[in-house]
This record gives sequence, structure tokens and C-alpha cells, in this order.
Amino acid sequence: AQKVTQAQTEISVVEKEDVTLDCVYETRDTTYYLFWYKQPPSGELVFLIRRNSFDEQNEISGRYSWNFQKSTSSFNFTITASQVVDSAVYFCALSDGNNFNKFYFGSGTKLNVKP
Amino acid sequence: DTGVSQDPRHKITKRGQNVTFRCDPISEHNRLYWYRQTLGQGPEFLTYFQNEAQLEKSRLLSDRFSAERPKGSFSTLEIQRTEQGDSAMYLCASRIALTDTQYFGPGTRLTVL
Repeated sequence: AQKVTQAQTEISVVEKEDVTLDCVYETRDTTYYLFWYKQPPSGELVFLIRRNSFDEQNEISGRYSWNFQKSTSSFNFTITASQVVDSAVYFCALSDGNNFNKFYFGSGTKLNVKP
Repeated sequence: DTGVSQDPRHKITKRGQNVTFRCDPISEHNRLYWYRQTLGQGPEFLTYFQNEAQLEKSRLLSDRFSAERPKGSFSTLEIQRTEQGDSAMYLCASRIALTDTQYFGPGTRLTVL
């Protein structure tokens, strides 16, 4: 069965600090996709990134970077030079194989960035 | 491009009442999904539609829950005889065929008193 674990319930940092959000997943599928979403206080889940199981290249997008390691079943998310606007709950999600009709979400990590 | 919209954003009801939520997906997105999110947890899959056909339902979707997508565009989720345990955020998402990402709406927060 698919499972996503985000062990960090809440993290607090001071603005400009770097922060890494951990995501560990379990699946028996050989083909699958991983996602990160951001949920600000308004409630809407905002898509950040997706990664398929065959692409282990790390990705950088501005202050955001993602580290996908199949050997440890992890898909970690790093925010460099954090800003107050980064404060939100971040969710890691796993697709049901290459069927994108069911996503399995972790319990989320609440990030508090203080000025 | 208009995003996924949901209505209402908030609903307070008394136990035993029926409630109905609406979701309007991104236009041309033929897949539509409903999730439930309780406090401190991630979203949990409830059901999904491909066009007007409801193709999968989670065990979380009890007999009191029913979802429809009559014309393959907007969808409604009805909860009958609400219980306090139904209090949650109900999220809708949509996806276009042959792509891999679901796009979410702002959710409807239900409070059952």
C-alpha cells in the first residue's frame, strides 16, 4: 500500500535561514510520481513540483530545491533563504502508481518563518 | 485560466441536516476529484469522476455521502444526516487527461454542531 510520512509536524525558523522538509514514502510500484503542495492559511493547495520515479535528478527553482533519492525512498524539499511568505503547511504526495487518479498525502509539515 | 472553484467556502450546520457542496473544475479538465482533510492531516481521497462517470469511491465515502457530475462539468457532493465527525475541509481537484498533476480548489470547510 502507498504511504507517505512527514515526520516533522512543525518547524520554526527565522527569516533567511535555510530549511529542509522531509518526506519518506512507501510503495510497491516501480512507476510512481511524487508531488509537493503548499497550503497557505487560505486553504488552497498550491502545486509546487512533481517528480517521476525514473528521474532522480535534483531540481532547483529559485529558492526551492528538491532532492529525490530512491535508495532511501525520500523526496526532501529545501527552501533557501526563507521568507515570511513561505509560512504555510507543506504536503508531500504519492500517486497510485502511474494512475494519477488517487494521491496519497503525508500529514504535512507546518513551516513558520519569523521575521 | 480560471482555477478550481468551490462553493460555499464555509458551511456551519446542525447535526442531522443535509448539506451540498459544489465544485467547478478548470475548464476542459475531464477528471474531477473529491478529498477530505481533517485538522492536522493531509487530504484523503474520497472519489473521482471521469467526465460524468464516477469511477472510484473510497471506503471513507459512507452511504450518507453522494457525489454527482451530471454533465461532466461541475460536481456536487452531498452529505445527508450530517454527524459531528463529518466536520472537515472538503477539497476538490481537477486534472486534464494525459497529464499527471491535480489542481486543487480552496475547499469548503464544514462545521457540524
